[in-house]
Amino acid sequence: DTAVSQTPKYLVTQMGNDKSIKCEQNLGHDTMYWYKQDSKKFLKIMFSYNNKELIINETVPNRFSPKSPDKAHLNLHINSLELGDSAVYFCASSQDRRGTGNYEQYFGPGTRLTVT
Amino acid sequence: AQTVTQSQPEMSVQEAETVTLSCTYDTSESDYYLFWYKQPPSRQMILVIRQEAYKQQNATENRFSVNFQKAAKSFSLKISDSQLGDAAMYFCAYRSYLQGAQKLVFGQGTRLTINP
Repeated sequence: DTAVSQTPKYLVTQMGNDKSIKCEQNLGHDTMYWYKQDSKKFLKIMFSYNNKELIINETVPNRFSPKSPDKAHLNLHINSLELGDSAVYFCASSQDRRGTGNYEQYFGPGTRLTVT
Repeated sequence: AQTVTQSQPEMSVQEAETVTLSCTYDTSESDYYLFWYKQPPSRQMILVIRQEAYKQQNATENRFSVNFQKAAKSFSLKISDSQLGDAAMYFCAYRSYLQGAQKLVFGQGTRLTINP
């Protein structure tokens, strides 16, 4: 049973296109995240949702729009793709919103996005 | 803002020997969590070990242990009896609590090579 799943795992597309990455968790967590890992392997948070509510938006271009239809799903839609969007995107989830307690973040397998 | 620094971009060790990966961080908080994540070539993010800042005792998980120096803001990872399967990128992470939610702040990563 996969805890956090992402589709697709690989995505190759051309500049200017619009694409979506889907994420689902079956852990019953109420908080989900998107992280971006760039070509130098640096990982940075993009968004965080709690119970379908956006709670963190880390100065990400508004071409990126997360959508949470329910607390088990957090999708990432990217408009007008640019070369610099090429990266690995990780979805994660955790149980504890308040930052207390021993609740780790569980990561999905990542989606490698290549923009040509 | 919290920052995490890993000063060793690459490390190598002989199989069965011990290696220590360094991590320093900067924060004004007194209560927080620190983590080490492993990312093998499969790119899956795997939690190796966690440390709660209010606990003075260093965390250990089988062959993995940390040296947590709170005053120095240092959090190093020691891998004993290195195995070929330990080869991976290792990321130190600080769990920040901001805007009513937690997020992970990652270091730049250290690529660990195990020589047979």
